[in-house]
Amino acid sequence: AQKITQTQPGMFVQEKEAVTLDCTYDTSDQSYGLFWYKQPSSGEMIFLIYQGSYDEQNATEGRYSLNFQKARKSANLVISASQLGDSAMYFCAMREGSGGSNYKLTFGKGTLLTVNP
Amino acid sequence: DGGITQSPKYLFRKEGQNVTLSCEQNLNHDAMYWYRQDPGQGLRLIYYSQIVNDFQKGDIAEGYSVSREKKESFPLTVTSAQKNPTAFYLCASSISTGRWTGELFFGEGSRLTVL
Repeated sequence: AQKITQTQPGMFVQEKEAVTLDCTYDTSDQSYGLFWYKQPSSGEMIFLIYQGSYDEQNATEGRYSLNFQKARKSANLVISASQLGDSAMYFCAMREGSGGSNYKLTFGKGTLLTVNP
Repeated sequence: DGGITQSPKYLFRKEGQNVTLSCEQNLNHDAMYWYRQDPGQGLRLIYYSQIVNDFQKGDIAEGYSVSREKKESFPLTVTSAQKNPTAFYLCASSISTGRWTGELFFGEGSRLTVL
């Protein structure tokens, strides 16, 4: 079974509107972390936002927020006021465990977001 | 400026040849990683290393080899045993002490094409 599922291969949004990118995860660990990365066409991976499993509040970073629903095992990324520069591939990722030997991130297959003017 | 440098950015190789991708970091990070990215597949972990002179296989290690002789360097060799080596390769690093979330810092990637 996939540990990270992104069900939207592609999404379109109008400039200045908000968009939600879906991510569900599967883990039996109590301690874990969830990440979102952005990958423009240049290929670099840009860290956007992080949510720890014990964090009580949803993470926010500027125009990015993470809608964390623990019981549903979902960690959706919300981008407010979309900009043309937001057009990119977006990856959800998970770290299982709380450190020590648990250094790996598992990535979903990504969602290609296109922002239309 | 601190960061991760991957080279070369583009590489072409004939079938049957080994090729080594370089990854150097000056972030003083303990852990380093190699991921492979194929269209529609996301990122898949090849190898990772938590400390010098130690490394572990990831999910798709077959046909690849690594070394970690220095903290700053984690080169990846794509051997002739790798059946489908054409891909985009990403190197990453992370801290492993203190306030650690597991966030990865990535290089700009190396695109390998087998002719």
